[in-house]
Amino acid sequence: TQLLEQSPQFLSIQEGENLTVYCNSSSVFSSLQWYRQEPGEGPVLLVTVVTGGEVKKLKRLTFQFGDARKDSSLHITAAQPGDTGLYLCAPKEGYSTLTFGKGTMLLVSP
Amino acid sequence: GAGVSQSPRYKVAKRGQDVALRCDPISGHVSLFWYQQALGQGPEFLTYFQNEAQLDKSGLPSDRFFAERPEGSVSTLKIQRTQQEDSAVYLCASSWEQGAEAFFGQGTRLTVV
Repeated sequence: TQLLEQSPQFLSIQEGENLTVYCNSSSVFSSLQWYRQEPGEGPVLLVTVVTGGEVKKLKRLTFQFGDARKDSSLHITAAQPGDTGLYLCAPKEGYSTLTFGKGTMLLVSP
Repeated sequence: GAGVSQSPRYKVAKRGQDVALRCDPISGHVSLFWYQQALGQGPEFLTYFQNEAQLDKSGLPSDRFFAERPEGSVSTLKIQRTQQEDSAVYLCASSWEQGAEAFFGQGTRLTVV
């Protein structure tokens, strides 16, 4: 059974600050997905990273997949209140069922 | 429809009552998933369907939980004799094939009193 850890569990920052959240596993995965879930909504896919060392950018969000494909990070530049939500990572192995970490709850205050 | 639709959005059940939660996936999506999400936690996998076949039900917490998708489209998650620990948001997701991007509904918030 894989161990999947997301950190920090909770992060409260002011608008304009930068932040990084982490997703670490004891297992190697073929790919990893990041989702954001806003209050009262279902998770929405942000990005899928596949290659070890891969970096993907989505506007102010930068996603990195570790070289060993066991960990990933999400960096947000100049956070805005609209970034508030639960950030979930979901490693995937082939066509396996999507399994989520416990998430990082981000609160960005104006 | 345009997205995954779940009903009801909110359900309050008395302990011991049976409940049925409905999921309308995106038309044509083969794969359908159910998740349970406790407050402040990530979604926990319950069960997976490919068309009408339930291929994985390893996440169902007890035999009080039952899911079906008889015609390979709409799915129902049924919880018998609800207990307080069943209180959670139940999320449904669908994808056009196994391994493809999953689209989630807004969930049903179940409160057992």
